Amino acid sequence: DTGVSQNPRHKITKRGQNVTFRCDPISEHNRLYWYRQTLGQGPEFLTYFQNEAQLEKSRLLSDRFSAERPKGSFSTLEIQRTEQGDSAMYLCASSLVGWEGRYEQYFGPGTRLTVT
Amino acid sequence: LAKTTQPISMDSYEGQEVNITCSHNNIATNDYITWYQQFPSQGPRFIIQGYKTKVTNEVASLFIPADRKSSTLSLPRVSLSDTAVYYCLVGDMEKLSFGAGTTVTVRA
Repeated sequence: DTGVSQNPRHKITKRGQNVTFRCDPISEHNRLYWYRQTLGQGPEFLTYFQNEAQLEKSRLLSDRFSAERPKGSFSTLEIQRTEQGDSAMYLCASSLVGWEGRYEQYFGPGTRLTVT
Repeated sequence: LAKTTQPISMDSYEGQEVNITCSHNNIATNDYITWYQQFPSQGPRFIIQGYKTKVTNEVASLFIPADRKSSTLSLPRVSLSDTAVYYCLVGDMEKLSFGAGTTVTVRA
């Protein structure tokens, strides 16, 4: 257990439905990241936050995806009008930036999304 | 962003040392080299990070030659529980770029 929690762990939804995932990072960490991982591939970066500010979004993050981190604590990732291609593991990670020379991200267990 | 190349898979037996070499010919001067481990149905876990020469922690050692165009992760005396995917990352330490990694299978 890294201290990063994600809920739900599994989500099955029908195509066209909206889904929302939650990530609770390690409390003192100021950076929070979202990744997506499909079967047989490594995780792909989606977006990240410094406190409550969203710093960057990957081009993988279409307009149907939105992420928030209100108050700089937990984060939510919402997918609107889900498509079968959205089926993947969604991973959240957090880190404490500022420790010179080492950038270690702590990953949660992920939320596995299945779109039927 | 430096591209990395590592073997797709490696097999080993319990008690042996496993060495995974990663090539990163285009590594930039400021880039660190980082390795993550991932078990099935879990998120990746940081193993080790280095810039040059050798780094050792309680889990692994990382060997980096002077030209830094490659690195080798060494796992001493592996056990069945070390069966996992191992990723070599170079470059941006914020927006991590994972390749397909190396699947290490440890057999009894």
